[in-house]
Amino acid sequence: GQNIDQPTEMTATEGAIVQINCTYQTSGFNGLFWYQQHAGEAPTFLSYNVLDGLEEKGRFSSFLSRSKGYSYLLLKELQMKDSASYLCAVSDSNYQLIWGAGTKLIIKP
Amino acid sequence: DAMVIQNPRYQVTQFGKPVTLSCSQTLNHNVMYWYQQKSSQAPKLLFHYYDKDFNNEADTPDNFQSRRPNTSFCFLDIRSPGLGDAAMYLCATSRGAEAETQYFGPGTRLLVL
Repeated sequence: GQNIDQPTEMTATEGAIVQINCTYQTSGFNGLFWYQQHAGEAPTFLSYNVLDGLEEKGRFSSFLSRSKGYSYLLLKELQMKDSASYLCAVSDSNYQLIWGAGTKLIIKP
Repeated sequence: DAMVIQNPRYQVTQFGKPVTLSCSQTLNHNVMYWYQQKSSQAPKLLFHYYDKDFNNEADTPDNFQSRRPNTSFCFLDIRSPGLGDAAMYLCATSRGAEAETQYFGPGTRLLVL
């Protein structure tokens, strides 16, 4: 079966750095997405990785290792507004998007 | 601004009473999706349209139907809502169907009494 694993919940301090990991086992791979979802709202796109390596976009960076089936989302200079769930999703060989359950990130002052 | 719009944002219905949720988009995207998301769970794809081609997920109950009368609009019909159908319903669009970024509407939260 196809599977995406993320930690259920993480806590970090305002101004700090946090890394949210995602491991995946899918039939084929056509890219990995990270989405941010605030409570009660729709997911919003953060990043897309299809090649190995680090993609940086402001305070957020996303890393991919296809050989390890592994990605992480790195958030720097955390702000209170970064409190949200972060969803990892993989596009499989049929371009179906397989979603993780999300990591709830709690930011403390 | 180009966007994905869902109406209503909150919908209350009675057990067994049909309900229709709507989605419209100004992005002119070819693909429209309907997801069901329950608290702290991954979004679950119900079906999607590539243009007028309808694609139903194998495990989507027959109770859920969809219509896409034109490029801009897509509807989700729940014929006989049960208590287990209470969830957030998300509409999303993408330009194409191959590893394209999906853009989501704000969602409709459905409550079944």
